[in-house]
Amino acid sequence: QSVLTQPPSVSGAPGQRVTISCTGSSSNIGAGYDVHWYQQLPGTAPRLLMYDNTNRPSGVPDRFSGSKFGTSASLAITGLQAEDEADYYCQSYDPSLSGYVFGTGTKVTVL
Amino acid sequence: QVQLQESGPGLVKPSQTLSLTCTVSGGSISSGTYYWNWIRQPAGKGLEWIGRIYTSGSTNYNPSLKSRVTVSVDTSKNQFSLKLSSVTAADTAVYYCARTGRITGDRPFDYWGQGTLVTVSS
Repeated sequence: QSVLTQPPSVSGAPGQRVTISCTGSSSNIGAGYDVHWYQQLPGTAPRLLMYDNTNRPSGVPDRFSGSKFGTSASLAITGLQAEDEADYYCQSYDPSLSGYVFGTGTKVTVL
Repeated sequence: QVQLQESGPGLVKPSQTLSLTCTVSGGSISSGTYYWNWIRQPAGKGLEWIGRIYTSGSTNYNPSLKSRVTVSVDTSKNQFSLKLSSVTAADTAVYYCARTGRITGDRPFDYWGQGTLVTVSS
């Protein structure tokens, strides 16, 4: 049972912009804990895509951007490409649950 | 470049104990600045954090699994391990090991193993 809520799916045509929301609570995101995002291609391990709300690891295209506000966070993909078709998960920390919490996951489909 | 690799039986019988090991290469597990974690993912479902260990042996577990989970570390082999007791079909999943920093509690999982599928079935 995931603590952070994401839309099950989002879709867009190549070149379009899509956003994925991640809604938490006052005990995790709202308490000031950072949000991180992962991309999971079919059959592979998750890959860190965004850390500390807005920072991209080396090698992640600048088409990906993140934001955080209150008890929620958001991942945006601009200039959507076929290779972006994957599952995306947000993650934060919740001391009331003794550790890390993940979002429910969002499948991005490129039309 | 840090690499993590899970190993262990791919099939476990119901009520038995699932045992997995994660071998870390490209860096020392004793560096002191990281937590070493286990995460699982049932087929077609989301990610669930299981627990973590620091090289001192200090552990934290997901409350939903705490009564059945033990994570341990062997610094001499640069490995850490997971034991999950009294397994049922609901424990069938891909199990990942992963690293997080420990400067603050909310660091990301920056390195992951490739994952290993464990099926619980008689």
